[in-house]
Amino acid sequence: NAGVTQTPKFQVLKTGQSMTLQCAQDMNHEYMSWYRQDPGMGLRLIHYSVGAGITDQGEVPNGYNVSRSTTEDFPLRLLSAAPSQTSVYFCASSYTGTSTPDTQYFGPGTRLTVL
Amino acid sequence: RKEVEQDPGPFNVPEGATVAFNCTYSNSASQSFFWYRQDCRKEPKLLMSVYSSGNEDGRFTAQLNRASQYISLLIRDSKLSDSATYLCVDNAGGTSYGKLTFGQGTILTVHP
Repeated sequence: NAGVTQTPKFQVLKTGQSMTLQCAQDMNHEYMSWYRQDPGMGLRLIHYSVGAGITDQGEVPNGYNVSRSTTEDFPLRLLSAAPSQTSVYFCASSYTGTSTPDTQYFGPGTRLTVL
Repeated sequence: RKEVEQDPGPFNVPEGATVAFNCTYSNSASQSFFWYRQDCRKEPKLLMSVYSSGNEDGRFTAQLNRASQYISLLIRDSKLSDSATYLCVDNAGGTSYGKLTFGQGTILTVHP
C-alpha cells in the first residue's frame, strides 16, 4: 500500500490564483481530512469527510473547498489564494470502525507559499 | 484558552535522561487522546494512544488525569533518535469521526 499520498510537495502561487491540492489513499478508509500547520499554532482542521459524497467544515474552512466523489480521493481547492494561506497542508485518513478507530495516517504534506 | 495546551519547550536533555511533557485540555467530555511524533518537515506519526488511565509502550509511558484534565508523556532512557516535536492530541470529536484537536507541540532535543 502507498498509504496517503499528496501532490504537489511544493507550490508557489501568486495572490488571487486558484489551485487544487491532491490527496489519495489506498487503505479503503472512510474518513479523510485536511489540516494546515503554521508555526506555533499546531495542526488545525480545515475540512473533513466521513465518506464519499459527505463533507463538512472544520475549524478554519474559509477560502477552501472540498469534494469527495470517491472513497480514495479528497482534493482541497484554494479558490483565490491569499498570503495568509501560506502553510504546510496535511491530508489524513482513518477508519471509522471499532478497532483503534481514530488512528489517523498522514500524507507527507504540501508546502504552499502565496506571494 | 486554547483547547489543547503544551509547553513548547525546547527541552534539551542528554542521552539516557528521563524527560516528561505535560499537556492540558479544556474539553471535559473528551474520552481519548493521542501523542503524535513529528520529525522536522515530516508528517505526524502516531506514537501512543491514551485511553482511560494511561498506557506504556517500552520506554514511553502516557498518563491521563481526568480530574485535572491533563495528559503526560514520559520518555525514559532518551535516545538521540527521540529528538522530535511531540504533539498532544484530543479526540474531541468522538470515536467515529476522528476530529482531532492538536496542541502546538513540544520540541525535544536529545544530545550526546
